[in-house]
Amino acid sequence: SYVLTQPPSLSVAAGQTASITCAGDNIESYSVHWYLQRPGQAPVLVIHYDSDRPSGIPERFSGSNSGNTATLTISKVEAGDEADYYCQVWEGGSDHSIVFGTGTRVAVL
Amino acid sequence: QLQLEESGPGLVKPSETLALSCNVSGDSISSGSSSWGWVRQPPGKGLEWIGSIFSTETAYYNPSLKSRVIISVDTSKNSLSLRLKSVTATDTAVYYCARHLVAAAAPILVDHWGQGTLVTVSS
Repeated sequence: SYVLTQPPSLSVAAGQTASITCAGDNIESYSVHWYLQRPGQAPVLVIHYDSDRPSGIPERFSGSNSGNTATLTISKVEAGDEADYYCQVWEGGSDHSIVFGTGTRVAVL
Repeated sequence: QLQLEESGPGLVKPSETLALSCNVSGDSISSGSSSWGWVRQPPGKGLEWIGSIFSTETAYYNPSLKSRVIISVDTSKNSLSLRLKSVTATDTAVYYCARHLVAAAAPILVDHWGQGTLVTVSS
């Protein structure tokens, strides 16, 4: 099955920009979706279809997808952005599988 | 306001069957505009998609779990269920009920999650 690889952790100072990568073979041919999960809570969708923001998600969250890497960018990072972030694609095929990335823990300094 | 509420035993013995239910309020499973399913997360680990089902009872499963999993819907109760047989300690996880956005008759992403329920597999 399709594999999505993310860096395990990332530290960023408050007010700076965080870039979280999601690597997959020819990932640009897939639509990539991103979730954040705060400690003890359910995940929340923050980006869908590579770069679209669901209603209620701040403009500070943006996404891109090119080549073998998709990227979630969080500008002007706040303490409340400290969370685990997961990328996800729909693999298709006969199983119509949904695949999640390995996850990245973002710490705000 | 959409709410997904998971329920079921918090402790299951090895080799037995894990059974969970999810009650849906604020949306109708039978509307056909979404699919419904489950995602799990072992303690301290990442997310794993289990599967998804449409109101037509067409279901899709994670290939790695397919031989052990059944997801079903009860449109009269607006609920769905998960059964995972022959469980081991590696099935210990928080299990989330999940509404899926659909495109071209396939579940594409999760647009709403329940709060999750922890199931521990232990004797």
